[in-house]
Amino acid sequence: KAGVTQTPRYLIKTRGQQVTLSCSPISGHRSVSWYQQTPGQGLQFLFEYFSETQRNKGNFPGRFSGRQFSNSRSEMNVSTLELGDSALYLCASTTGTETQYFGPGTRLLVL
Amino acid sequence: AQSVTQPDIHITVSEGASLELRCNYSYGATPYLFWYVQSPGQGLQLLLKYFSGDTLVQGIKGFEAEFKRSQSSFNLRKPSVHWSDAAEYFCAVGPQGLRSARQLTFGSGTQLTVLP
Repeated sequence: KAGVTQTPRYLIKTRGQQVTLSCSPISGHRSVSWYQQTPGQGLQFLFEYFSETQRNKGNFPGRFSGRQFSNSRSEMNVSTLELGDSALYLCASTTGTETQYFGPGTRLLVL
Repeated sequence: AQSVTQPDIHITVSEGASLELRCNYSYGATPYLFWYVQSPGQGLQLLLKYFSGDTLVQGIKGFEAEFKRSQSSFNLRKPSVHWSDAAEYFCAVGPQGLRSARQLTFGSGTQLTVLP
């Protein structure tokens, strides 16, 4: 089985712009979770989608949003980018055994 | 609120030596427990997990971890470290339950350096 894929792998944006990141889960996995990783805050949960519905959301401002499509692919969007949004964004898909498998991440740099 | 503590920010060991990485958690009940490894610029790879049952769990790459309920710990061990084990290691917890387990709380990580 192919693993979790994330596109793009690298992204450079400027403050005030918006960005959309994509995640394709492992085939058959219906749950997708997103995490932000920064040197200062570590790994933090953003949100989780299951069957096109957001079920959990972490403590992030409303500028961070997401969605999931009927094929379980997910996108996350960050509007009005700030310098502090520079991070590695990780997507994970979950099996029926509650194990999260992570993609390689998208590294976002905000200038 | 749940929390995970990895008290060692950085550990250095010689190749062939044994390794133990510490992880303590604070939780209202017994959580699901995980260890992940991250190489530079990469995502997280699952090493092993504990859901229930035998408190000593085996993982990939020769790693094992022991769950100790009385100490709220889930320490990772390897009897003989290889140079390729150099990476950052993360302990994570998730609440039991089909729905909640998809939100993990991570420790701050332990960076492992392996000397030749």
